[in-house]
Amino acid sequence: AQTVTQSQPEMSVQEAETVTLSCTYDTSESDYYLFWYKQPPSRQMILVIRQEAYKQQNATENRFSVNFQKAAKSFSLKISDSQLGDAAMYFCAYRRGSGGGADGLTFGKGTHLIIQP
Amino acid sequence: EPEVTQTPSHQVTQMGQEVILRCVPISNHLYFYWYRQILGQKVEFLVSFYNNEISEKSEIFDDQFSVERPDGSNFTLKIRSTKLEDSAMYFCASRPSSGNTIYFGEGSWLTVV
Repeated sequence: AQTVTQSQPEMSVQEAETVTLSCTYDTSESDYYLFWYKQPPSRQMILVIRQEAYKQQNATENRFSVNFQKAAKSFSLKISDSQLGDAAMYFCAYRRGSGGGADGLTFGKGTHLIIQP
Repeated sequence: EPEVTQTPSHQVTQMGQEVILRCVPISNHLYFYWYRQILGQKVEFLVSFYNNEISEKSEIFDDQFSVERPDGSNFTLKIRSTKLEDSAMYFCASRPSSGNTIYFGEGSWLTVV
């Protein structure tokens, strides 16, 4: 079974600084997708960024980028120029790419990101 | 932008009562999901649904749970006889056939008393 591990229960960063959230996963699959979701206090799950395992290039979305290390099974999220609105719970998630299109996501336990003004 | 909508946003129910949580997935999506998040814990997969049948379910999704797509737009989760430990946020989600991103609704917060 796949597992996703987020080893940082909480991280704190000064506004405008850069922060990196860690995520590792365990799978025997070669085809899969990785995601970072943000959950603000409203508790809505908002997609931040997505990475396909077959792509070597790291995904970027404005201030958000990932460092995808497939051999190490690592998928960290870097937030540049942190803003107060970035404060939220961040969940790393994995989805198998093969074996049926309806496979659900496996989530990590989350990292609570605090932005210091 | 199209979004997944869920009702109710919050429901309080007595232990042992039946609850139905409703979802309207994004209109051109073909894969539907329910997830659960107990307060302070991670989001857990419950069930996936495709082509009018369950595709995959977790061990959490036992006989007290059922899902249905009664018409062309709604996707429901029924909990037959609620227990205190069913108190959680329940998220509906959907995915198009051609994409790999799963889009979540805002959640239905269920409190069992």
